This record gives sequence, structure tokens and C-alpha cells, in this order.
Amino acid sequence: DAKTTQPTSMDCAEGRAANLPCNHSTISGNEYVYWYRQIHSQGPQYIIHGLKNNETNEMASLIITEDRKSSTLILPHATLRDTAVYYCIVRVNFGNEKLTFGTGTRLTIIP
Amino acid sequence: ETGVTQTPRHLVMGMTNKKSLKCEQHLGHNAMYWYKQSAKKPLELMFVYNFKEQTENNSVPSRFSPECPNSSHLFLHLHTLQPEDSALYLCASSSRTTGSTEAFFGQGTRLTVV
Repeated sequence: DAKTTQPTSMDCAEGRAANLPCNHSTISGNEYVYWYRQIHSQGPQYIIHGLKNNETNEMASLIITEDRKSSTLILPHATLRDTAVYYCIVRVNFGNEKLTFGTGTRLTIIP
Repeated sequence: ETGVTQTPRHLVMGMTNKKSLKCEQHLGHNAMYWYKQSAKKPLELMFVYNFKEQTENNSVPSRFSPECPNSSHLFLHLHTLQPEDSALYLCASSSRTTGSTEAFFGQGTRLTVV
């Protein structure tokens, strides 16, 4: 699986949009971008994934650049409950379902 | 509630003890995983089971012994562990046969080896 690079930590004011970047310059054509988050001492939670088109669900939006070398996860109206470590993972969708976690971005929502 | 249940949530065991961690999923998934998360480290994949067959062992020491009796249950048998094995052990499941490919994680078992 391709390697990803994320900032170690970020802060965001409550109620504002949180934009979390991820670089994946070695991504190959059949690899998807996945985002998970882990709230302290809990299991990771799936957020969203995409291949090349932008995606949106009830939790977040995923913006993938045209060359697919980077992406941004957007939490449109951050709340204190969004404080967590956010992981960007690149993987193929079938044939290799394992997830390789990096160190992620520790997002802190400030009241 | 993710549909993946792990028991116990907390476990303290001595180095000579034998214990088992249990994971159960009611999502109809056919792939199950064990991950380990030590303090200040990323999650590490330990084992992968697909359709009850072990398809990956990520160089895990033999003191950790997984068992997958059916697609809904996964166990991790522990014996003669070391203090450095203290960690959060996470179980996950996913489907290999539907369009949904995201993994669902349990809440984990916090293991302390004394």
C-alpha cells in the first residue's frame, strides 16, 4: 500500500470547518483513499473513502486532487466530540482488506 | 455500537497465566482481524482471517494464538506473555463479498501484563 503523510497535530475552533490534509504521492491507480478516526481509547471508526471523485456523507467530505497525490478531509462544523486522531490510509479495495495505520493527525477542537 | 463486540474490556494477567480475548460480529462479515496498539505507537496488524482461514500472520510471536471457529467469532489465546505485550487489542471485521469495504472495529480489550 502507498505511504501517506499527515501533520502530527492540528487545532480547530468549535463550529468551524476542520480541514485535514493528507499526502499520498505514490498512490497507484487502483488504490482508494480511506479516512478513519480514533477517539481516545476506543476502536477506530470509519469516516469516508474515495477513489478520484469528491465524496460526501453525513460525517464529512473528502476532496481528492485531480492528480490524486493528496486529499483533504473536511468536517464542516467541528464539535468537541470530533477531537480524535484522524488516519488517512491508502489501499486497494479488493484482495487486500488489511489497513496499515500511520501515526495520523491529532485534531483538537477548541471551545 | 459498531456491531463488533469484544470481551473483556479490561484484563490484567500474570506472565504465567493463560487467558483468551473474544470478538464477535453480527454484521454478516467474512473477514476478521486482530490489531495491537501499544502506547504511543500506531496500530499494528497481527492476524487476518478470511472465511475462517488465516490468511496473514504479521510475524506475531507464538505466545499469541488466534482461533476463528466461524465467520462471526474470533479469539486470541494468550499464554506466557511479557509486560511489553501490554496494549490495547482491537478486533475488526469487514466484508469481502459486498460493495462495502470499510472495516468495523470493536472497542478493544485493554490488556495489562504484570
